Amino acid sequence: QKEVEQDPGPLSVPEGAIVSLNCTYSNSAFQYFMWYRQYSRKGPELLMYTYSSGNKEDGRFTAQVDKSSKYISLFIRDSQPSDSATYLCAMSPGGYQKVTFGTGTKLQVIP
Amino acid sequence: GAVVSQHPSWVICKSGTSVKIECRSLDFQATTMFWYRQFPKQSLMLMATSNEGSKATYEQGVEKDKFLINHASLTLSTLTVTSAHPEDSSFYICSARPGEGSTGELFFGEGSRLTVL
Repeated sequence: QKEVEQDPGPLSVPEGAIVSLNCTYSNSAFQYFMWYRQYSRKGPELLMYTYSSGNKEDGRFTAQVDKSSKYISLFIRDSQPSDSATYLCAMSPGGYQKVTFGTGTKLQVIP
Repeated sequence: GAVVSQHPSWVICKSGTSVKIECRSLDFQATTMFWYRQFPKQSLMLMATSNEGSKATYEQGVEKDKFLINHASLTLSTLTVTSAHPEDSSFYICSARPGEGSTGELFFGEGSRLTVL
């Protein structure tokens, strides 16, 4: 079993839809959770960064962490064609310990 | 967010030559930088952790003599692919954490696409 599981997709949605992206993990030591957006042939861009359980909202993006279920989510409201990219979840115990990435979910928002 | 710059963004070289890729943190100091490799449609594979002023820590299966890492200052790490071969062709990405002992937040460079002919 991988430490972090993420559905690779692809996920296709119409413009304006609410998108839900998810990851599960097995390492209970993870405390810090991140979502990255990666466009083709570009480096990942940090979208959301959360600590421990709870919700965090930034514009159209909402990140949720449920440590009891070892489950994290990223919601995108009013999705736009420009949101079409691969979304990577990432998590870490913190400090100097390495970050573990999911395999990424490819999202396509259709105009 | 913090800015990490990577150069060159793409490079083509002949088999047997060496290629150097630079990773700079532009607006923060980074005692630790990370080098990843990404194959098409796959996630990031951590190659090594670059530590300022000391030797890099390589992940299992990564040849340290092939992928030379130097972290000479708090804002610059370099990855040199030595005696490159076509199988080394890939997308190489660096990342850095602001500050010492900081939390898991990572910022990435734009990536460098290496093609070995």
